[in-house]
Amino acid sequence: RKEVEQDPGPFNVPEGATVAFNCTYSNSASQSFFWYRQDCRKEPKLLMSVYSSGNEDGRFTAQLNRASQYISLLIRDSKLSDSATYLCVVNGYSSASKIIFGSGTRLSIRP
Amino acid sequence: DTGVSQNPRHKITKRGQNVTFRCDPISEHNRLYWYRQTLGQGPEFLTYFQNEAQLEKSRLLSDRFSAERPKGSFSTLEIQRTEQGDSAMYLCASSLSPRYNEQFFGPGTRLTVL
Repeated sequence: RKEVEQDPGPFNVPEGATVAFNCTYSNSASQSFFWYRQDCRKEPKLLMSVYSSGNEDGRFTAQLNRASQYISLLIRDSKLSDSATYLCVVNGYSSASKIIFGSGTRLSIRP
Repeated sequence: DTGVSQNPRHKITKRGQNVTFRCDPISEHNRLYWYRQTLGQGPEFLTYFQNEAQLEKSRLLSDRFSAERPKGSFSTLEIQRTEQGDSAMYLCASSLSPRYNEQFFGPGTRLTVL
């Protein structure tokens, strides 16, 4: 089993729709969680951190479920510009080598 | 541009040759990371520096790979005796201690080994 697993997609949704995807992790000692966005042939860029209480940034909402060991990302009112690959990142404690990226979920927004 | 920069952006080499990549992090960031990414996968951690000290190396990093950050500023990643399996995107990222994951990535160096 991979340490961090994501549905590769692609998720193909119409503009304006709400879309959500999850990321599961295997190490219960994981300490911090993030979502990154990566456009085709570009570098990953930090989208948002994921806090235990859940957090929202505009149209994006991230949540953490420690009991079931998954994080989620919800995108409301999706825009064409949201088309990208979304990478979840899970970090162990005090160790850079424990930073694990998922393989990414590909999202495509159609007009 | 005050972001992370990497050179070259593309490198094509023949199997068995040595290659060296350079990364210039954001100036005030004391942490620097190297990752490798292949198609359809997320970045895989290779190694990490805090200032000039190389603190961690992945088991993925064979002895053909070496990285340096001599003055705690820019870093180089060298691959000796390249193999076709080394073909990948090599990404550099930097962060401001102590936040491991708020990393800022450079555009990467795409290596193709023929």
